[in-house]
Amino acid sequence: KQEVTQIPAALSVPEGENLVLNCSFTDSAIYNLQWFRQDPGKGLTSLLLIQSSQREQTSGRLNASLDKSSGRSTLYIAASQPGDSATYLCAVVDNYGQNFVFGPGTRLSVLP
Amino acid sequence: NAGVMQNPRHLVRRRGQEARLRCSPMKGHSHVYWYRQLPEEGLKFMVYLQKENIIDESGMPKERFSAEFPKEGPSILRIQQVVRGDSAAYFCASSHLVGGADYEQYFGPGTRLTVT
Repeated sequence: KQEVTQIPAALSVPEGENLVLNCSFTDSAIYNLQWFRQDPGKGLTSLLLIQSSQREQTSGRLNASLDKSSGRSTLYIAASQPGDSATYLCAVVDNYGQNFVFGPGTRLSVLP
Repeated sequence: NAGVMQNPRHLVRRRGQEARLRCSPMKGHSHVYWYRQLPEEGLKFMVYLQKENIIDESGMPKERFSAEFPKEGPSILRIQQVVRGDSAAYFCASSHLVGGADYEQYFGPGTRLTVT
């Protein structure tokens, strides 16, 4: 059974810092991995989707990497801003099903 | 192109009543997924449907919960005889398989169910 964990659970940084969020999954037979952002009381916004054959994806100040063999993904946020404050969720679709298995999230606070 | 739509956005029910949550997928999407987010917990998969078919309901509670995705109209998640523990945010997502290579799911804004 696939399990997804995220470290740290919460993170508080001053504005302008570069930061890394970590995601681990137990079964490397994944189809893809997706990073989402969730603001309090809101829905999910897709940030980056990495197919299993890819190693990384970039969008603006965000860069996500994927190492299937070690069961890890990282989300790198450059030059953080207060508007980046949110919960960041990592989710995988494995080869046995078509639904997401979500991690518990990392709650990020960027202080002005 | 409108995104995934869910209604109502907020729903209050008394214990024992029925709750009906609706999800309209993105235009052209024929796959719908329902997830539940309990307070202070992560998102958990409930059910995956295609038009007129339930493909995977391994995450659905065995009693009181049902889902459908008819040929016409939105997908419905139905909770009978609600209890306080059903209070949660329910999210719907849709996807369009493109040659079997694209499983990106697009999420709706969610329905927040409160059971009093």
